[in-house]
Amino acid sequence: TQLLEQSPQFLSIQEGENLTVYCNSSSVFSSLQWYRQEPGEGPVLLVTVVTGGEVKKLKRLTFQFGDARKDSSLHITAAQPGDTGLYLCAGARGGGATNKLIFGTGTLLAVQP
Amino acid sequence: DAGVIQSPRHEVTEMGQEVTLRCKPISGHNSLFWYRQTMMRGLELLIYFNNNVPIDDSGMPEDRFSAKMPNASFSTLKIQPSEPRDSAVYFCASSVGRDTQYFGPGTRLTVL
Repeated sequence: TQLLEQSPQFLSIQEGENLTVYCNSSSVFSSLQWYRQEPGEGPVLLVTVVTGGEVKKLKRLTFQFGDARKDSSLHITAAQPGDTGLYLCAGARGGGATNKLIFGTGTLLAVQP
Repeated sequence: DAGVIQSPRHEVTEMGQEVTLRCKPISGHNSLFWYRQTMMRGLELLIYFNNNVPIDDSGMPEDRFSAKMPNASFSTLKIQPSEPRDSAVYFCASSVGRDTQYFGPGTRLTVL
């Protein structure tokens, strides 16, 4: 059962365009993370959001955590070819010593020059 | 510093054979995770360890899968016997407690 649904699944845009990726769940998470994965490599963490309603900016990337901590969005302004990759959201659960992550279905982004 | 190291990077085997995947976490990290990634199911957590002790193996698909962490610098994921549906990219990741998980480059497994 996939608890985190991402949309869209695929996105092909031209350099300079803006885009938004959504990550939705019916479950509440203690925090939510966004990763980017390039071909032949493992995912790399971009950001962690913890508080409902939180907004974080990383250069041209803006991340928002929903008020109820069930959903999140990633907005990219003026996309560049270097932004191409698989974007994954991941919800964290559990209050133990380790973060157990549940990954979303993924959004494959291609930015054409 | 070296990141998470996985070996082999690619493995091709025949159905019924035993497969062993290896992982060396980042030095000083006390949590280790094994994930599997496929087109159909995405990235799934199989098992994770904290201080070399398995904490949650609920993601391990079947008894054919087993994982060990004999010490803080080494872990294995074994599939015996392997089946074509086990074909996937297997990732190992490590962290310090609840901090950022760092992923290795993965092992691409193909079972014929």
